[in-house]
Amino acid sequence: GENVEQHPSTLSVQEGDSAVIKCTYSDSASNYFPWYKQELGKRPQLIIDIRSNVGEKKDQRIAVTLNKTAKHFSLHITETQPEDSAVYFCAASKGTYKYIFGTGTRLKVLA
Amino acid sequence: DGGITQSPKYLFRKEGQNVTLSCEQNLNHDAMYWYRQDPGQGLRLIYYSQIVNDFQKGDIAEGYSVSREKKESFPLTVTSAQKNPTAFYLCASSIAAGTEQYFGPGTRLTVT
Repeated sequence: GENVEQHPSTLSVQEGDSAVIKCTYSDSASNYFPWYKQELGKRPQLIIDIRSNVGEKKDQRIAVTLNKTAKHFSLHITETQPEDSAVYFCAASKGTYKYIFGTGTRLKVLA
Repeated sequence: DGGITQSPKYLFRKEGQNVTLSCEQNLNHDAMYWYRQDPGQGLRLIYYSQIVNDFQKGDIAEGYSVSREKKESFPLTVTSAQKNPTAFYLCASSIAAGTEQYFGPGTRLTVT
């Protein structure tokens, strides 16, 4: 069935360093790939998304890259700050109502 | 934070009791969703509704039921048939398929 694998499950970086989280999807028909950030005890919130007709998208310190051939997409956070500490989820959708979420990455930014 | 609300934030029930979780949105979104979140398992879809009076099973619908009588409301009932109901439940809404989903603050259900 449809599946999204997300790695790593935990990631610790020093403040100011970069963080990269990778997701691999199984359904080649997927065409929408959002990333959500969930702080402890709070709701997930969209931080960036990308559609399959685009290879890369940037928003300040956050970027997402998509490789359709390899069926993977990655979240890049540069110049990490303590407030970036959270759980990050990737998801994939075929343009339908069903999203397949990854299992999450707990990012810790060490001051 | 407004837009989509869930109540209550914490809910405790005894085994064998049905319990209903509330979800309301004022975003005028047609689609609404219920997810279950367990540690290390991400978000799993329980039910979704594309429009009023219509809903579809997600990946883990067994032991749950929903209704969609109003555009703004999508309550979830956790029945006694759900074998492991203790979890964090998230409601979401979106304008259409393949668009951003907006999440509510969640309800943490504990069944003992």
